[in-house]
This record gives sequence, structure tokens and C-alpha cells, in this order.
Amino acid sequence: QKEVEQNSGPLSVPEGAIASLNCTYSDRGSQSFFWYRQYSGKSPELIMFIYSNGDKEDGRFTAQLNKASQYVSLLIRDSQPSDSATYLCAVNIVGRGSTLGRLYFGRGTQLTVWP
Amino acid sequence: DTGVSQDPRHKITKRGQNVTFRCDPISEHNRLYWYRQTLGQGPEFLTYFQNEAQLEKSRLLSDRFSAERPKGSFSTLEIQRTEQGDSAMYLCASSRVVWPNEQFFGPGTRLTVL
Repeated sequence: QKEVEQNSGPLSVPEGAIASLNCTYSDRGSQSFFWYRQYSGKSPELIMFIYSNGDKEDGRFTAQLNKASQYVSLLIRDSQPSDSATYLCAVNIVGRGSTLGRLYFGRGTQLTVWP
Repeated sequence: DTGVSQDPRHKITKRGQNVTFRCDPISEHNRLYWYRQTLGQGPEFLTYFQNEAQLEKSRLLSDRFSAERPKGSFSTLEIQRTEQGDSAMYLCASSRVVWPNEQFFGPGTRLTVL
């Protein structure tokens, strides 16, 4: 079982809609959770992180964490065509001999926002 | 504010050749990470440094791969005797030591092994 699972999509939403991206993780030692955006042919760009249960908002983005369900999501409000990209979920996991430095990534969800 | 830089951006080599990549982190960041990404997959961890110390290395990393960060600033990743399966995007990231140590990525080096 992979540490981080994401639906690869593609997810397609109209401009102005809310896009919902989901991620599940398997290790309860997971400490902090990151969302990255990656445009085709480019490197990942950090959007935001979350480590406490509940919601965290940053502009049009809201990250949600539910540790009991081992679930983290990213909501994008008022989606724009420029939001079309692959969204990567990543986690830090304590234990396993890890020094809590490395990130474990999902394979990403491809989002398309059509005008 | 200068971000993470990587050089070269693209490298084409023949199977069996050695290649070396360089990464310069954000100046105040003590940690430097190397990841590899293939098409349709998320980045896969290779190794990371805190200052000049290599703190963790993936068990998946072949002995043909070696990384250094001799002065705690820039880092190099060398691949010896390249194979076609090494073709990928090699990503470098850096972070502060302070939790949650958000990692910021460079533009990557795309390696093609013919």
C-alpha cells in the first residue's frame, strides 16, 4: 500500500466552480501535509500546508485535514483556467527511521478548468 | 529573493556515460533534497542533506548514484554508468530546518539516456 493515494483524474470543472481534490494516506505517523501545483513540464510549486485537523484557508485555496479518516483535501474556489495543472499531495511521516525530512508524494490529480 | 537553481536544465547522454547535476539552494536554507520524477508519477525521494551531512538516502537508490554537499551550500548528484531507466526529471528542493520545513523546488534537470 502506498503512503499517499490520489485519484489521478482527470478532474474537469467549469470556470468559476469549486474544484475538490482528495488525498488519503496510510501511515498514522504522518505529521504534516502539503499541496503542490505542477504545470506540465515544470517543477512542483508549493501552494500550502496543513498539520491540524480542520480547515486552513489561503486566498481561493482551502486545505482540509481529517486525521481520524486519514484524509486531506484541497478546495479551489472560483476556479480559473490558469488553475489547470496537476495537484500533488505530499506528507511528512515520523518514525520508520526517518528524520522527518523526506516527503512522500502521491501521483497527482490532473485538473482541467474549462472556460 | 533567489529561488533554488539547477544546472543543467536538460541533459542528453548515451547509456554507460556518467552525468553530474548541480543544485544551488535558497541561501538561508540548511536542508537540501533530491527527488526524481517520471511521467505520470509524483516525485520520488532520493536523498537529503542538512548542511553538509547526508541524513537520509533512499533504499531504492542504486550504488550508481552519489550525492555530495561538501561545504553545506550547493550540492551535486552524480549518476555513473547511466541506464535508460535513469531517464527522468531530477528535482532539487531546499527548506529551513524549522518544522514543518516547507520544501521549495528548483526547475529540475531533465535527463534523457539514449
